[in-house]
Amino acid sequence: QKEVEQDPGPLSVPEGAIVSLNCTYSNSAFQYFMWYRQYSRKGPELLMYTYSSGNKEDGRFTAQVDKSSKYISLFIRDSQPSDSATYLCAFSPYSSASKIIFGSGTRLSIRP
Amino acid sequence: KAGVTQTPRYLIKTRGQQVTLSCSPISGHRSVSWYQQTPGQGLQFLFEYFSETQRNKGNFPGRFSGRQFSNSRSEMNVSTLELGDSALYLCASSRFEGTGELFFGEGSRLTVL
Repeated sequence: QKEVEQDPGPLSVPEGAIVSLNCTYSNSAFQYFMWYRQYSRKGPELLMYTYSSGNKEDGRFTAQVDKSSKYISLFIRDSQPSDSATYLCAFSPYSSASKIIFGSGTRLSIRP
Repeated sequence: KAGVTQTPRYLIKTRGQQVTLSCSPISGHRSVSWYQQTPGQGLQFLFEYFSETQRNKGNFPGRFSGRQFSNSRSEMNVSTLELGDSALYLCASSRFEGTGELFFGEGSRLTVL
């Protein structure tokens, strides 16, 4: 079983839709949960960084962590064409760059 | 505030050559990490530096090396290039050591022929 599972997509939704992106993990030692957005030919950009279970909201983005199910989600409300990118989930057992395990990324396309 | 700057952005090398990639972190950031990104393996950790000291190293052969200078700028070097080294090499900086809040540069895309 892979340590992190993320559907590669591509996922295509119309503008204005609510997008749900998901990752599952198997390592119960993971305590830090992150979402990065990567545009084509660019480096990843940190969107959300959470430590505990529950929800964290930032503008149109909501990150949800369910440690009991080993499942994290990123919701994008009122999706815009500018949200078209690859979204990477990431996990770490503690706050260290060296221990971050990244998902393979989900390609998202928002249709105008 | 300027972001993480990586040079060169694109480069083409042949097998057996060596390459040096440069990274300038965000001003005030003292920790620099390097990652390799490929379609097959995704993002994989290479090194982490803080205050000119390598703090952690990923599972890569000794052909991959790096260093950090007193101004926090960092370089990584790959010697005896192989075809499989073709990848996007990403540098990320963070203000403190031991944080997962990384700020990535745009990367250096290396093609080995």
